Amino acid sequence: GESVGLHLPTLSVQEGDNSIINCAYSNSASDYFIWYKQESGKGPQFIIDIRSNMDKRQGQRVTVLLNKTVKHLSLQIAATQPGDSAVYFCAESPLTGGGNKLTFGTGTQLKVEL
Amino acid sequence: ETGVTQTPRHLVMGMTNKKSLKCEQHLGHNAMYWYKQSAKKPLELMFVYSLEERVENNSVPSRFSPECPNSSHLFLHLHTLQPEDSALYLCASSQVMGGNSPLHFGNGTRLTVT
Repeated sequence: GESVGLHLPTLSVQEGDNSIINCAYSNSASDYFIWYKQESGKGPQFIIDIRSNMDKRQGQRVTVLLNKTVKHLSLQIAATQPGDSAVYFCAESPLTGGGNKLTFGTGTQLKVEL
Repeated sequence: ETGVTQTPRHLVMGMTNKKSLKCEQHLGHNAMYWYKQSAKKPLELMFVYSLEERVENNSVPSRFSPECPNSSHLFLHLHTLQPEDSALYLCASSQVMGGNSPLHFGNGTRLTVT
């Protein structure tokens, strides 16, 4: 079946640096993509989403980039802070959409070093 | 505060016990979900309710029994569980099930089956 995966299980960055977390997907019919942040002891928290008709979307200190040609999604966090330490994972769903069609990745652990 | 509240936060139960997990959403959403999160695995969708009707059961064993009495409340009834059922159980809601609206998660119930 189709799968969503992340390149690196753990990413360590210095406080103040920019972080880039990557996600590869294999379903060419994927149309909607979401990034979630999960802190220890908490549920996943929605960060940002993007539709396949866009290649970039910006939020507060975060930017999501979508490269449909190579089926690659990335989350960029500017000026990484200790509070950004968490597991980040992407999810995708096809054009037909629906919350029941979301496929989640396994996650990347982001560690912010002081 | 996520808008989705789950109780209890932690639960330890024996294999012969019967217990229930509770979820309540305060977001006015029409769809609710149960997910299972195990270590180093992607989120696994268990059940989906839309407008209080069950629309998906992802081949979940019958020892897990969901109940959705109204659009704000969701229960997961547990009986004769196995140790491998130990995991974080997450409830989520979305504005609608169809279309692309992000899921909003609760902080989960950490279940340990002894």
